[in-house]
Amino acid sequence: QQQVKQSPQSLIVQKGGISIINCAYENTAFDYFPWYQQFPGKGPALLIAIRPDVSEKKEGRFTISFNKSAKQFSLHIMDSQPGDSATYFCAATTSGTYKYIFGTGTRLKVLA
Amino acid sequence: GAVVSQHPSWVICKSGTSVKIECRSLDFQATTMFWYRQFPKQSLMLMATSNEGSKATYEQGVEKDKFLINHASLTLSTLTVTSAHPEDSSFYICSANLKRTSGTEAFFGQGTRLTVV
Repeated sequence: QQQVKQSPQSLIVQKGGISIINCAYENTAFDYFPWYQQFPGKGPALLIAIRPDVSEKKEGRFTISFNKSAKQFSLHIMDSQPGDSATYFCAATTSGTYKYIFGTGTRLKVLA
Repeated sequence: GAVVSQHPSWVICKSGTSVKIECRSLDFQATTMFWYRQFPKQSLMLMATSNEGSKATYEQGVEKDKFLINHASLTLSTLTVTSAHPEDSSFYICSANLKRTSGTEAFFGQGTRLTVV
C-alpha cells in the first residue's frame, strides 16, 4: 500500500514533443504529490507538486494532472527540449510525516 | 531558495572502515531530515528519519547499528556507515523539510557517492 507505481521506465521524445509520465498510488492518506527531476550524480530537484484538492496544476511547460478517484497523477512536459533529458521521479507523502515514497523513475531522453 | 548541502560529494574508503556523511540545511532550520539510498538507475529508498535531539527512526530492513544517524543541531544531520563493505557502495541522499506558509517542502542535498573497495 506504500508503493507508488511509475510508468514508463524510459521514454524517448522528439524535440518539441510532449512527454507524459504516469504514476499511481494506493494509500489514500497521501495528500502531497511532487515530481522531481534528477540529473546523473545529482540530488533530486523539485519540479512541481500538487495536492488532491485540485485536478491540474501548471507551471511553465510542466503540468500535473491529478485524478483522485483513480488514484493516479501524471506529469506532462510540453515542448520538450534536449535539456529536459533526465530521470523523473514522482513521489507521494502525507502532510503529517513528509516521508516521501518515490516512484521507480522514468529516464527521459529528448532527441534534438 | 532553501539549500541543503551534503559533504563529501564522493568518498572512497577501504572495506572495514567507517565513513561519515554530513547533511546541512544552510539557510533554514530543520527539525526533521531524511536519509535515502539510491542504487544505479534505481529509485530513492528511504533509510531513516533523522529527528533533532532524539533517536532516528529507521525503515524496515535498515540496520541501525550499521547506519548511525545523529541529528545534533537544527541544521546538521550525519550518517555514519560503520564497518563499510563493498555492498554498501551507493549514492546516499539527504533531505530536509522546510515549513512555509504555503505548506511544507522537501529540499534535497546533492548526494554523496560512496565507493567501498
